[in-house]
Amino acid sequence: NAGVTQTPKFRILKIGQSMTLQCTQDMNHNYMYWYRQDPGMGLKLIYYSVGAGITDKGEVPNGYNVSRSTTEDFPLRLELAAPSQTSVYFCASSYPGDRAYEQYFGPGTRLTVT
Amino acid sequence: DQQVKQNSPSLSVQEGRISILNCDYTNSMFDYFLWYKKYPAEGPTFLISISSIKDKNEDGRFTVFLNKSAKHLSLHIVPSQPGDSAVYFCAASNSNSGYALNFGKGTSLLVTP
Repeated sequence: NAGVTQTPKFRILKIGQSMTLQCTQDMNHNYMYWYRQDPGMGLKLIYYSVGAGITDKGEVPNGYNVSRSTTEDFPLRLELAAPSQTSVYFCASSYPGDRAYEQYFGPGTRLTVT
Repeated sequence: DQQVKQNSPSLSVQEGRISILNCDYTNSMFDYFLWYKKYPAEGPTFLISISSIKDKNEDGRFTVFLNKSAKHLSLHIVPSQPGDSAVYFCAASNSNSGYALNFGKGTSLLVTP
């Protein structure tokens, strides 16, 4: 199992550009999540999904969009990038139910917006 | 509004000694608590968890204690090893909120030989 994979590893965007952060998991997990981690801070939830076709907002959803067309993939779309979106983005997945707390994280995407 | 707080940004411990990492929370609706470990340039990895109905959970060298009345939990690592050097995040969740995790800012543990 590759686990949770994220691409790209690094990206520099100019203000106003858009991009999609890719996330794929091969563990057949129902639940998937996107977090961001700003320097010196904990992770904050952006969006999550409990299954294909079902998504919901987390704590910091503004400026982002997600879709979940398959169990494996959960891409995060940034529209009109802003410097405040400079962060490290982590995708995670988990089984449903009580095991949902044990989330498996990808290696992260480091994004800089200048 | 930080609902999960780790007030010690860093901790240094000698190899073989006990490491104690602390975490406080403010939301009494949290019913599940976890510790994650993170190495540089990697994603966090799950370490140990505890349900709010318990006050202790042990897994090998790692023990988590929960004091609900004080809204406090701690992670004990005994004995500490150099490979334990990492950032440790405390996280909490309310099962009614889709299992979303609320993370603290992390404590950087350094275990010296």
